[in-house]
Amino acid sequence: NAGVTQTPKFRILKIGQSMTLQCAQDMNHNYMYWYRQDPGMGLKLIYYSVGAGITDKGEVPNGYNVSRSTTEYFPLRLELAAPSQTSVYFCASSYSTSGPGANVLTFGAGSRLTVL
Amino acid sequence: RKEVEQDPGPFNVPEGATVAFNCTYSNSASQSFFWYRQDCRKEPKLLMSVYSSGNEDGRFTAQLNRASQYISLLIRDSKLSDSATYLCVVNRDDKIIFGKGTRLHILP
Repeated sequence: NAGVTQTPKFRILKIGQSMTLQCAQDMNHNYMYWYRQDPGMGLKLIYYSVGAGITDKGEVPNGYNVSRSTTEYFPLRLELAAPSQTSVYFCASSYSTSGPGANVLTFGAGSRLTVL
Repeated sequence: RKEVEQDPGPFNVPEGATVAFNCTYSNSASQSFFWYRQDCRKEPKLLMSVYSSGNEDGRFTAQLNRASQYISLLIRDSKLSDSATYLCVVNRDDKIIFGKGTRLHILP
């Protein structure tokens, strides 16, 4: 079981470039989340999805887009990279939001992005 | 006001001491509560869920006071390996929101 897999682990972008952070989970989890974590700070929710075809904004969605065409994949797209998007990005998933194990997140190892 | 607020830290405590973390949340509709632990440059991992009746897991005790919108974590007999950042986490309407975290250093 791979759990939650994120790629790439590291990336340097120039201002204005675009890229997609990939996230895949093999646990058949319905719920998936994208967070960013700036140095010395907690995690801020960017976007989340409660199932294939459904996405919703979190706390800090500006500058990002997501899609969820299948249960397994939840890519995060940066259209016009800005220095303020330099951060560590974590993808996470959970089985459900009710019942045993509700809302328990399994995280990927993170993607460290630098925008210069 | 932030939705989840924690003690700013860092906490520097000697090995063997008891340490307590506090957390408050602003939205009374919040439904479930957790403590996560994050080691340096690693992803967060679940430490324990927090139930209204309070719950204990070995040296760790979590409490929830819904009336005060307050969550706590107590670590007894702290070990060097407890050094990490402790994150208070709240679920509201499918959104899982993290506090800023409190860094703990256990001193030998």
